[in-house]
Amino acid sequence: SQKIEQNSEALNIQEGKTATLTCNYTNYSPAYLQWYRQDPGRGPVFLLLIRENEKEKRKERLKVTFDTTLKQSLFHITASQPADSATYLCALVGVTGGGNKLTFGTGTQLKVEL
Amino acid sequence: DTGVSQDPRHKITKRGQNVTFRCDPISEHNRLYWYRQTLGQGPEFLTYFQNEAQLEKSRLLSDRFSAERPKGSFSTLEIQRTEQGDSAMYLCASSSLGQGLTEAFFGQGTRLTVV
Repeated sequence: SQKIEQNSEALNIQEGKTATLTCNYTNYSPAYLQWYRQDPGRGPVFLLLIRENEKEKRKERLKVTFDTTLKQSLFHITASQPADSATYLCALVGVTGGGNKLTFGTGTQLKVEL
Repeated sequence: DTGVSQDPRHKITKRGQNVTFRCDPISEHNRLYWYRQTLGQGPEFLTYFQNEAQLEKSRLLSDRFSAERPKGSFSTLEIQRTEQGDSAMYLCASSSLGQGLTEAFFGQGTRLTVV
């Protein structure tokens, strides 16, 4: 069955460091992958989208890589700040379409400490 | 337009009662999605509409669940004979078909507690 795995344990890092979050998937051929941020009690907020033929995407302090051979995406936040503390979700969209519905991982909670 | 709006934000109901949630998407978006999220999990897809047509439903969506989008604008999700296992956050999202591959814009969700 399709499976999307993210670090289940919370990631604690110091302010200013780079946070790296992992998303691995099996039995899936995504056309593209998205990363969302979710704060407690709120809906997810879109951050970045990367297509299957793209290796890397950047937006300000954020960087996403996508390796379809390893079936893995890495999400980096450089110069992290306490305001970056949240749960980060990866989501995949299949090759066959399906109206661009998203299949989410379980999310990784990031805590940036002073 | 201030984004996707969901109502109510919170709902507490007794087991066996029916509940209905409403979602108002971003006005120019023709795709609308419903997801369900339980604690510690990512959102799970329930169903989606393109305009007023319901094009896909997840196997998670039992026959107690029904969704409508009568005029291709707002949508409702009804749960009949609620069970404690229905307790979750119900999220609505919308996106625009015209822009190709795009992100989904989520509402704040409706938190349902079945007691």
